[in-house]
Amino acid sequence: EPEVTQTPSHQVTQMGQEVILRCVPISNHLYFYWYRQILGQKVEFLVSFYNNEISEKSEIFDDQFSVERPDGSNFTLKIRSTKLEDSAMYFCASTGQGSQYEQYFGPGTRLTVT
Amino acid sequence: QKEVEQNSGPLSVPEGAIASLNCTYSDRVSQSFFWYRQYSGKSPELIMSIYSNGDKEDGRFTAQLNKASQYVSLLIRDSQPSDSATYLCAGRRRDDKIIFGKGTRLHILP
Repeated sequence: EPEVTQTPSHQVTQMGQEVILRCVPISNHLYFYWYRQILGQKVEFLVSFYNNEISEKSEIFDDQFSVERPDGSNFTLKIRSTKLEDSAMYFCASTGQGSQYEQYFGPGTRLTVT
Repeated sequence: QKEVEQNSGPLSVPEGAIASLNCTYSDRVSQSFFWYRQYSGKSPELIMSIYSNGDKEDGRFTAQLNKASQYVSLLIRDSQPSDSATYLCAGRRRDDKIIFGKGTRLHILP
């Protein structure tokens, strides 16, 4: 069964460093999302991406964040200058044309900022 | 009012019984609703989606939507220890953002 994959599974970085989190959505899906979940808290929407552009973003998704689909398979989230409060699980999700809102999540990347 | 609200639990249910999970939502979240299961340290896994009033059944799971009362529920029949997890209710806003509740921890007692 096709699935969303994410790399790395765990990323440790120092405050102020740039990180890139990578996702490979399900191959025929068209809508892509990033969410984050701080330990013990709820899943929070960051950004949605469709047709090579951002369709929606949350208040969390400020100028420090950017997304890109550099080729036909990868979908990346970049955090330019990480802060301690960026420490969280970051989940990528994708949906297909027929079920636009039924999102399938990747396993997540645990980001630890020290 | 929060957009999607759930009781955080834990909800303890004996094995074999029916587990009932509830979720309420605000006027901003009205388009469609989803139940996800999340095991500790894992990602959310979609269980059910429901778009219209009434019941929707899939195996041991039944989702119920009542738009007049603004609640959505998930029933799990014949609960198994493997059903022990956090259940996330999510709803779609008119701007298409999916908003998650904080989740209800379910513990099935063997």
